[in-house]
Amino acid sequence: GENVEQHPSTLSVQEGDSAVIKCTYSDSASNYFPWYKQELGKRPQLIIDIRSNVGEKKDQRIAVTLNKTAKHFSLHITETQPEDSAVYFCAAYDFNKFYFGSGTKLNVKP
Amino acid sequence: DTGVSQDPRHKITKRGQNVTFRCDPISEHNRLYWYRQTLGQGPEFLTYFQNEAQLEKSRLLSDRFSAERPKGSFSTLEIQRTEQGDSAMYLCAAGLAGIYEQYFGPGTRLTVT
Repeated sequence: GENVEQHPSTLSVQEGDSAVIKCTYSDSASNYFPWYKQELGKRPQLIIDIRSNVGEKKDQRIAVTLNKTAKHFSLHITETQPEDSAVYFCAAYDFNKFYFGSGTKLNVKP
Repeated sequence: DTGVSQDPRHKITKRGQNVTFRCDPISEHNRLYWYRQTLGQGPEFLTYFQNEAQLEKSRLLSDRFSAERPKGSFSTLEIQRTEQGDSAMYLCAAGLAGIYEQYFGPGTRLTVT
């Protein structure tokens, strides 16, 4: 099955700085890569996604990039704000199932 | 609000007891997934349905776990003879077949004492 690895496990940035979270996947058949934000005690929320035929996608302060050859994708958050503090999960969709990374705890210091 | 609800939100049970959780997606969601999430980890796939058909079950899933979606709408996940290692958040997610996006419910937090 697919294997998704996510780094770093924790990330601390100053408000206004950028944050980058990286994921790698193992199965080249994976064709959809969502990112979820999970605040403490709440459900994971889809924040951005990318399909395998696209290299980059932006939505205001967040962007995702995909390198199919290297099998890695990244989440970029610019101008971070304290409300961006949460756990972020990447996932890969492979044969009707989602495989999740282990999460990155982002702390944005005011 | 994703339109996906789960009940109960919290469940405390004693080891050896059976528990059942329920997930209600919106009516358009013909695909439904169950996940288990432990502290500090991402959701782990348990099983998924398309309409009422259970199409796949994780090989790591004990026979004590069973899930149903009898009319292709709500789904139940039952755990028999609970063990302390079953303590986790159980998440349901739903979406449309052929559309990648899935939306999570709030989860049921199970504590086995």
